[in-house]
Amino acid sequence: GDSVTQMEGPVTLSEEAFLTINCTYTATGYPSLFWYVQYPGEGLQLLLKATKADDKGSNKGFEATYRKETTSFHLEKGSVQVSDSAVYFCALGSSGAGSYQLTFGKGTKLSVIP
Amino acid sequence: ETGVTQSPTHLIKTRGQQVTLRCSSQSGHNTVSWYQQALGQGPQFIFQYYREEENGRGNFPPRFSGLQFPNYSSELNVNALELDDSALYLCASSSGGYNYGYTFGSGTRLTVV
Repeated sequence: GDSVTQMEGPVTLSEEAFLTINCTYTATGYPSLFWYVQYPGEGLQLLLKATKADDKGSNKGFEATYRKETTSFHLEKGSVQVSDSAVYFCALGSSGAGSYQLTFGKGTKLSVIP
Repeated sequence: ETGVTQSPTHLIKTRGQQVTLRCSSQSGHNTVSWYQQALGQGPQFIFQYYREEENGRGNFPPRFSGLQFPNYSSELNVNALELDDSALYLCASSSGGYNYGYTFGSGTRLTVV
């Protein structure tokens, strides 16, 4: 079945450091890929998405490129801020039997210190 | 435009009891999905409802059931609660498939003792 593997955390960075969170996936067909962010006590918020190979999703300074040859969708940001501290989830979207579902990785907790 | 609201926010139940969690979908969204997020894990798909019918299910036993109402709100029911059912339950609504984007609620934290 479909699965997502992302780097384990926690990750601690100083403000303005470069961020990479690795994500690889296993899927049949051609899934869409997503990064979601979860702030403490809140639900998930869509950060960015890519729906086909070589697409680049971007939002709020974060970027990720859908690499089909390496089955990867790594999240990057050039300069993190304290407000970026949260848990980040990589996910793939697939359809089957009339429904659409998201398969999530285990999440990576990011802490940014001033 | 209101988002997805879930109730209650926290709940404590005893093993063997039954629980009902509620979700009001975002305005204009006709599809509702439920996810279970155990502590320190990513959310896992329970099932999806569209036009009041379940049209997809993850690897969860039949004691997890749901309903969707004509106004697209939804309920998740869990019978014969087990300790492992302790988790954050997230509701997500959408106006179509996942490419249209899901809006997640803040979840219901269920603790089974």
